[in-house]
Amino acid sequence: GDSVIQMQGQVTLSENDFLFINCTYSTTGYPTLFWYVQYSGEGPQLLLQVTTANNKGSSRGFEATYDKGTTSFHLQKTSVQEIDSAVYYCAMRSYTEGADRLTFGKGTQLIIQP
Amino acid sequence: EAAVTQSPRNKVAVTGGKVTLSCNQTNNHNNMYWYRQDTGHGLRLIHYSYGAGSTEKGDIPDGYKASRPSQENFSLILELATPSQTSVYFCASGDRTEQYFGPGTRLTVL
Repeated sequence: GDSVIQMQGQVTLSENDFLFINCTYSTTGYPTLFWYVQYSGEGPQLLLQVTTANNKGSSRGFEATYDKGTTSFHLQKTSVQEIDSAVYYCAMRSYTEGADRLTFGKGTQLIIQP
Repeated sequence: EAAVTQSPRNKVAVTGGKVTLSCNQTNNHNNMYWYRQDTGHGLRLIHYSYGAGSTEKGDIPDGYKASRPSQENFSLILELATPSQTSVYFCASGDRTEQYFGPGTRLTVL
């Protein structure tokens, strides 16, 4: 079945540090890849979609890149701020077995120290 | 104005009791989803629906039922609640590009 692996459970950085979170995926279908962000006390919300057309996506200073060869996609930001503290989920949309659904990674808790 | 709402926001239930979690969406999306969120597991899909009258099993459906009586409403039902079902539950509605999540329901089963 479909799977998304997100290994980093927690990342602690200081303001202005570089952020990198990696995910790998497995599917027999044709995936569409996303990053969702969840702020404390809220539901997840879409951060950005990675288009397989140009292998990239960007939003709010975040950039995501997709590598079909290694079936991986990562999220990065050059200079994180305290407001970026949140949980980040990678997700894959696929249509295998007739189901239109998202498969999420386990999430990465990002802690930014002032 | 919130497009996906959930009720109740917090619930304490007793083991063996029946619990119903409700979700309403004003996005006019055909697809709706129920997830649970647990530390170390992320978001896991319980049930989903493609429209009024349809329900499909997700990855962890055991112990849960779902009901979609209308385009706007999607309920998650725990007929016999157990402590292992203590969690935060999220409902979402979706189109071809995005899922929109509600604020979540924190359920504690004692």
